[in-house]
Formats: sequence, C-alpha cells, structure tokens
Amino acid sequence: GAVVSQHPSWVICKSGTSVKIECRSLDFQATTMFWYRQFPKQSLMLMATSNEGSKATYEQGVEKDKFLINHASLTLSTLTVTSAHPEDSSFYICSAREPNDYGYTFGSGTRLTVV
Amino acid sequence: AQKVTQAQTEISVVEKEDVTLDCVYETRDTTYYLFWYKQPPSGELVFLIRRNSFDEQNEISGRYSWNFQKSTSSFNFTITASQVVDSAVYFCALSSWGPMEYGNKLVFGAGTILRVKS
Repeated sequence: GAVVSQHPSWVICKSGTSVKIECRSLDFQATTMFWYRQFPKQSLMLMATSNEGSKATYEQGVEKDKFLINHASLTLSTLTVTSAHPEDSSFYICSAREPNDYGYTFGSGTRLTVV
Repeated sequence: AQKVTQAQTEISVVEKEDVTLDCVYETRDTTYYLFWYKQPPSGELVFLIRRNSFDEQNEISGRYSWNFQKSTSSFNFTITASQVVDSAVYFCALSSWGPMEYGNKLVFGAGTILRVKS
C-alpha cells in the first residue's frame, strides 16, 4: 500500500528558531498533500493544502508567513515553522492522496516542542 | 460546509464488552466518502475503513463493524468483544468525492477516546 514518510518524528527547538518538517510519498506521486495540526486532546485541524508546483492553499486563520509550505516535487512537501514560539508546540501530521484513489495516506506525525 | 460530529467525548468499557462509537455528518454533496481512523497513544493515524456514499451496505471486519445509514447521516462503528489494545482515540472523517485537482479536504470529527479496562 501507499506509504508516506514524515521526518522528524519529534523535535525540540528554541523559541525564535525555525523548524522544517518533511513529508515524502515513498511509492507514489502525490500532486496534493495536506498538513494538519493537532493540539493535545483535540482533533486534527487542516492547516493547508499543498499543491505541487504552485502555492499552498491555507485555511482561514493560519498564518502563511509563519507556516511556510513548499511542494517542489511530486514526492516531497515541507512545512517550515518560522520563528517558532511555545504556542506552536503541537503535533503536526501530513497526508497525501494517490492519483486515481480517494483515500488519504498519513505520515507518522511530528511532535514539535518549542522551549 | 461539511461537518462531522462525534458526540461521545470519552467511553470507558470493560474488556469483552461491545461498544459503539457514533458519527453523524453533514454535507451538501450527493457523493462523498466517509472514513474511520484509530489514533493510538503513539500518534500515528491508522486507517480502518473508507465508505463511499453509493454503498450503504454494512461492513464487518473481524471484531469491527460499521453501520452506514444515509437516511440519518450516520456512520457508526462497533467493536465487538473489546480488548485493551482497542484503547485509542477514534476519528470519523468526511471528504467530497471528485478529481484530485479539487483538493477534497478531509474533515475530521472531534474524536472519541475509548478506554478499555481489563
């Protein structure tokens, strides 16, 4: 089945620094990837839809300049949290759709802690 | 707008009991997909089932079964003879049907925490 690899699994960074999270589709080409954020004991909230070769579509309330998304190839999307603050600490998870399929494959998630 | 409601925030059962997790959805689409995912403490999402709106047949997979009723916009999930390993957060989700270029976001319910005690 389809596999999406997300890296790193966890990261601790200092306040004010930037962190990059990678999401790779290993055995299929993903023209569309999705980035979610999940706070403790809450549901997954869609942050943005990442489209290969074009700008990401952000959900209302998500700061585009803070959460930079790049989908430069059909197998890689990256989320960069810029100038991270403690309130950005969360679980970030990506997903991708295979062409000609209506399912969603999820990465294993990245737990970000900003200190 | 699409919406998924999981009214049960948390359910506790004793091992071997049957448990049903409720899911009610709202959509204006005539064609759509419904999903259930399991999220254990490790955090990864485990896919359980996908059902399209054309198919109202109930499905059984081992101890798991799903009841899809379009008339009541519900897609409930039952675990028979629950086990401790079933303890997790379970999410119901909804997406539109359509080509990739439409994006078709997956909308999640709030989730239900299931605790199975031995």
